[in-house]
Amino acid sequence: AQKVTQAQTEISVVEKEDVTLDCVYETRDTTYYLFWYKQPPSGELVFLIRRNSFDEQNEISGRYSWNFQKSTSSFNFTITASQVVDSAVYFCALSEPPRGGATNKLIFGTGTLLAVQP
Amino acid sequence: EAQVTQNPRYLITVTGKKLTVTCSQNMNHEYMSWYRQDPGLGLRQIYYSMNVEVTDKGDVPEGYKVSRKEKRNFPLILESPSPNQTSLYFCASSFVGNTEAFFGQGTRLTVV
Repeated sequence: AQKVTQAQTEISVVEKEDVTLDCVYETRDTTYYLFWYKQPPSGELVFLIRRNSFDEQNEISGRYSWNFQKSTSSFNFTITASQVVDSAVYFCALSEPPRGGATNKLIFGTGTLLAVQP
Repeated sequence: EAQVTQNPRYLITVTGKKLTVTCSQNMNHEYMSWYRQDPGLGLRQIYYSMNVEVTDKGDVPEGYKVSRKEKRNFPLILESPSPNQTSLYFCASSFVGNTEAFFGQGTRLTVV
């Protein structure tokens, strides 16, 4: 069965600390996509990154970086020098290639609430 | 501007009173879906649509209906809402093929 696990329910850090959000996934497929979304207190979902299963290169975007390791089925997200504006719920998600009618479905983890204290 | 628009953003209703949450996208996406978000459960798919007149159940379809008469619109219908449908609802759209999903702003529904 396809599953995404975000074991960290809540994380609290002080501003300027680095923080890593963990994501572990399960899938039978060799081709799939992984995503991270941010949900700030206002409630909307903000797309952060998409990674396909054939691209294991780590990605860096400003203070954000992502570490994809197929060997451990993990897609972890690190925020460097955290800021108060990073406070949000972060969701990791898995999407699989079209199979019957199941195309484009996103399977979400339960989310990690990150609180960055000033 | 490319967007997915949901209405209303907030809704409080009573048990049994039929309601519709609208969703519209302006990106000509074939694929549209509805998710509900509940604490400790993340987002779960309710229904999806591959194209006009093609809809199918997601993981938690009980108590919901959808329709796709036009490509841009995908309303979510609760014929007889119950308190366990109190949740945050998101509409999403994308091109078929696992591209980035665009989400609406969310609809916070409370059923009393």
